[in-house]
Amino acid sequence: DSGVTQTPKHLITATGQRVTLRCSPRSGDLSVYWYQQSLDQGLQFLIQYYNGEERAKGNILERFSAQQFPDLHSELNLSSLELGDSALYFCASSVGLAGANEQFFGPGTRLTVL
Amino acid sequence: GEDVEQSLFLSVREGDSSVINCTYTDSSSTYLYWYKQEPGAGLQLLTYIFSNMDMKQDQRLTVLLNKKDKHLSLRIADTQTGDSAIYFCAESSTGGFKTIFGAGTRLFVKA
Repeated sequence: DSGVTQTPKHLITATGQRVTLRCSPRSGDLSVYWYQQSLDQGLQFLIQYYNGEERAKGNILERFSAQQFPDLHSELNLSSLELGDSALYFCASSVGLAGANEQFFGPGTRLTVL
Repeated sequence: GEDVEQSLFLSVREGDSSVINCTYTDSSSTYLYWYKQEPGAGLQLLTYIFSNMDMKQDQRLTVLLNKKDKHLSLRIADTQTGDSAIYFCAESSTGGFKTIFGAGTRLFVKA
């Protein structure tokens, strides 16, 4: 158990809908990262927050947004969902910023868009 | 931009050594990592190496770094069926905000 929790574990929804994925980092970790893992694209970095502020952006679509709250939990919002958004979404946390900090991954949320 | 590349699949027999290779492009990479993902789980850090090191050994795992060629490898000695997983190479640099992951190498271990 990494100490990172993600809810829900599974989500099935229809195209055009909007969903929110939630992540609670390990106690004491200030950085939260979001990744998308799909069979054809591999592991894609989406976005990183550090202590409530956005610090780095990867291949995140404009239909997607995220935020980190004062209690350090984070939410990833996916809107106008398309079939291609079906994937495993991971949250990870680390003590500080990237560099020598190990990232601890949650178990993921599996999103299926029908 | 930064990129990390790995081969997608590797198949070995139980008891043999496995070698998973990775190349990266960012010459300012300071930290290089190997993560393991077991079926249905998130990634877990296996080991890491600083760019000023050539080699790091940790039980059955040996990491070799060729900084000149920007090549990283992970050797697993006496590979077991429990080692079947996806192995991700990743890099980050001092002061950088993100860690760049490769696509992952799926290791199959045949009994």
